[in-house]
Amino acid sequence: GDSVTQTEGLVTLTKGLPVMLNCTYQTTYSPFLFWYVQHLNEAPKLLLKSSTDNKRTEHQGFYATLHKSSSSFHLQKSSVQLSDSALYFCASGGNYKPTFGKGTSLVVHP
Amino acid sequence: DTTVKQNPRYKLARVGKPVNLICSQTMNHDTMYWYQKKPNQAPKLLLFYYDKILNREADTFEKFQSSRPNNSFCSLYIGSAGLEYSAMYLCASSRVRGYEQYFGPGTRLTVL
Repeated sequence: GDSVTQTEGLVTLTKGLPVMLNCTYQTTYSPFLFWYVQHLNEAPKLLLKSSTDNKRTEHQGFYATLHKSSSSFHLQKSSVQLSDSALYFCASGGNYKPTFGKGTSLVVHP
Repeated sequence: DTTVKQNPRYKLARVGKPVNLICSQTMNHDTMYWYQKKPNQAPKLLLFYYDKILNREADTFEKFQSSRPNNSFCSLYIGSAGLEYSAMYLCASSRVRGYEQYFGPGTRLTVL
């Protein structure tokens, strides 16, 4: 079946540093990939989405590029802020039901 | 309004007792989902409604029921709660099944 792998469970960084959260996927369908962000005591919200190979998508300073050749959709930001501390989920869709990764908790220190 | 609402936000239940969780959305989305989320685990899809058609995951088929009396409303029903049901339950909806989802804030269920 389909699967999404996020290799980091916890990432801890100092404000202003760059970050990359890894996401790889396996799907038998043409992939549609998503990043969701969940801040404490809030609902998960869509951060980024893409189905276009090798095209960078950006939102709120975060960006990701879907690479079908390596089945990856890594999330990046050039300079993290304290407000970026949250739980980040990578998910695949495009078939009739979505598949989520375990999530990466990002903690940003002053 | 892109809000998905869930009630209650917190639920305490006794082992062996039933639990009913409620979700609503006013975006006229055709698909509504229920997930179970435990710490350090991926959200686990329990079931989803595509229009009026219920799809339940094979490994949770007998544990969870659901109803969708209209497009906006969807419930999750546990007939007899066990300790292993303690988790966050997330409801989501999407305009097209399998695509971008809008999530509710979740219901934290604790079974004692």
